[in-house]
Amino acid sequence: GAVVSQHPSRVICKSGTSVKIECRSLDFQATTMFWYRQFPKQSLMLMATSNEGSKATYEQGVEKDKFLINHASLTLSTLTVTSAHPEDSSFYICSARDSASGSLDTQYFGPGTRLTVL
Amino acid sequence: AQSVTQPDIHITVSEGASLELRCNYSYGATPYLFWYVQSPGQGLQLLLKYFSGDTLVQGIKGFEAEFKRSQSSFNLRKPSVHWSDAAEYFCAVGARPDFGNEKLTFGTGTRLTIIP
Repeated sequence: GAVVSQHPSRVICKSGTSVKIECRSLDFQATTMFWYRQFPKQSLMLMATSNEGSKATYEQGVEKDKFLINHASLTLSTLTVTSAHPEDSSFYICSARDSASGSLDTQYFGPGTRLTVL
Repeated sequence: AQSVTQPDIHITVSEGASLELRCNYSYGATPYLFWYVQSPGQGLQLLLKYFSGDTLVQGIKGFEAEFKRSQSSFNLRKPSVHWSDAAEYFCAVGARPDFGNEKLTFGTGTRLTIIP
């Protein structure tokens, strides 16, 4: 089946630094990728929708200058948490939609990245 | 706006027993409904989905779910659970693509523990 990878799986950084998380679709092309944030014992909250070659669409309340998204190719989207603070500590999950389909059921999820900001 | 409620935060079931995980949704039109399973270190895996047609849908790993419009529910069931079913389960609702909104809204999840 379709595989989405995320790198790194776990990262610890100091407050004030920036962290980049990569999301790759390994065996399919993804025009659209999604970035979610998951707090402990809570649901996945959609942060932004990333479209290849264009600006990301952010959900209400998500700071686009803090969470920079780049979708430079059909297989790679990156999320950069800029000037990270402890409250940014969370589990970040990406998903990718198979361009060949486009319907909701062909959205494949990555394993997530655990970010801890000290 | 669409929303999903999973009223059970944690469920414990004996191996071999039947399982039902509850999901209620709120959406103004006919929804797309999904159940995903999340295991540690792995991405969310789609168990099954309902788009239209038969309200009883079959999924992978022996799971099924029934869409009940009158109750705004989409409960997940399995007749006999296995220890490997222990995981976090998420119900999600999505708007129909032809409305131009293709986002998924997830419930808060139900953690399933299996005891011998």
